Amino acid sequence: EADIYQTPRYLVIGTGKKITLECSQTMGHDKMYWYQQDPGMELHLIHYSYGVNSTEKGDLSSESTVSRIRTEHFPLTLESARPSHTSQYLCASSGGTDTQYFGPGTRLTVL
Amino acid sequence: KNQVEQSPQSLIILEGKNCTLQCNYTVSPFSNLRWYKQDTGRGPVSLTIMTFSENTKSNGRYTATLDADTKQSSLHITASQLSDSASYICVVSDRGSTLGRLYFGRGTQLTVWP
Repeated sequence: EADIYQTPRYLVIGTGKKITLECSQTMGHDKMYWYQQDPGMELHLIHYSYGVNSTEKGDLSSESTVSRIRTEHFPLTLESARPSHTSQYLCASSGGTDTQYFGPGTRLTVL
Repeated sequence: KNQVEQSPQSLIILEGKNCTLQCNYTVSPFSNLRWYKQDTGRGPVSLTIMTFSENTKSNGRYTATLDADTKQSSLHITASQLSDSASYICVVSDRGSTLGRLYFGRGTQLTVWP
């Protein structure tokens, strides 16, 4: 099983709150990713990083931001949560090959 | 447009039976194709990976096939078990991207009944 962790696993929060979803991996992978997945739908890439101090936006426009200050850590932040942000957020990482290892996900509900 | 289409959308089978899931893709250029298993409330886990030159690859009771000419893949599950209940996602990698960019299907939701 891959060593990639996400916290919290579930989060219910009110509109307008600032939230940070945590993602960390202990495999020393350079590349990390954030995906958004709605029920029954495909994963959509929202952010990725090639390494420390590298962040890029993915295919799906997102109001969230990310940072990569340490190799193992890739947090995602929403400054002001809205009901449209309700979704599952999956973090992944990859090393020398392009096989991505996924975390367990954070299910976010914004009321 | 690069796309990955999976069928059926959902499938219910009895424990011990076999089943086959389908994946058609239009991703070009092609690097590889993966099948992932995603349990409810969990992240996807890779089952198999196939490159252009590979036709068949097995992982226990899972056997994946690839026809790169017709751009089709299948995942065959033998002697299904209750723990096979999950979403099975077909993922195609675009050779043209240094990111190792992945295109995801919507998945087939498999339910195995006792």
